[in-house]
Amino acid sequence: DIQMTQSPSTLSASVGDRVTITCRASQSISRWLAWYQQRPGKAPKVLIYKASTLETGVPSRFSGSGSGTEFTLTISGLQPDDFTSYYCLQYSSDWTFGQGTKVEIK
Amino acid sequence: QVQLVESGGDVVQPGRSLRLSCAASGFTFTSYGIHWVRQAPGKGLEWVAAISYDGSNKNFADSVRGRFSVSRDNSQNTVFLQMNSLRVDDSAMYYCAKERLPGMRDYFDSWGQGTLVTVSS
Repeated sequence: DIQMTQSPSTLSASVGDRVTITCRASQSISRWLAWYQQRPGKAPKVLIYKASTLETGVPSRFSGSGSGTEFTLTISGLQPDDFTSYYCLQYSSDWTFGQGTKVEIK
Repeated sequence: QVQLVESGGDVVQPGRSLRLSCAASGFTFTSYGIHWVRQAPGKGLEWVAAISYDGSNKNFADSVRGRFSVSRDNSQNTVFLQMNSLRVDDSAMYYCAKERLPGMRDYFDSWGQGTLVTVSS
């Protein structure tokens, strides 16, 4: 089974900051990685798939990079709506989520 | 538009069974794999199970294999998650989700609103 290690678990930042969240896979997953945003009490919403492809309608301040075992989600210029939780998902072999990152206001 | 509606969540005692349903509309149901993902209160997302577009392939997380089963009725556009031998740590919001591309193992592009399962004596 592929394990996904996501860090940090919590991130404190201010509006306008640039933040980065990392996911590491226990073995190579090529670029089969997606990033999700989840607001409290709501279902997750996909932001990025295939490591770096922005889902339609997602603001361009979200970007993804990486391949193999190391991946990053970057939010350039945090907006008030962005203070919530984020998860990575590998879909190379079965499916595994990272543990999640909560972005909170500093 | 794509719509997924889960139902069947309830409060049940440990060791009992429960069946969840996911009713789909707004897309060609027979072409897409459907997944179940759960989230315990205050915790992260956990992938639980998947069924392929035609029901021929089923996959399960280690935590539920042997206790949970998944099926689909393509005539009713519905996927079912049968949960047996429930444990306290199965308590969670259960979401169903649709794969993005037809006939492929892919990420999830649409989700339901979830149904809550509580396992407690």
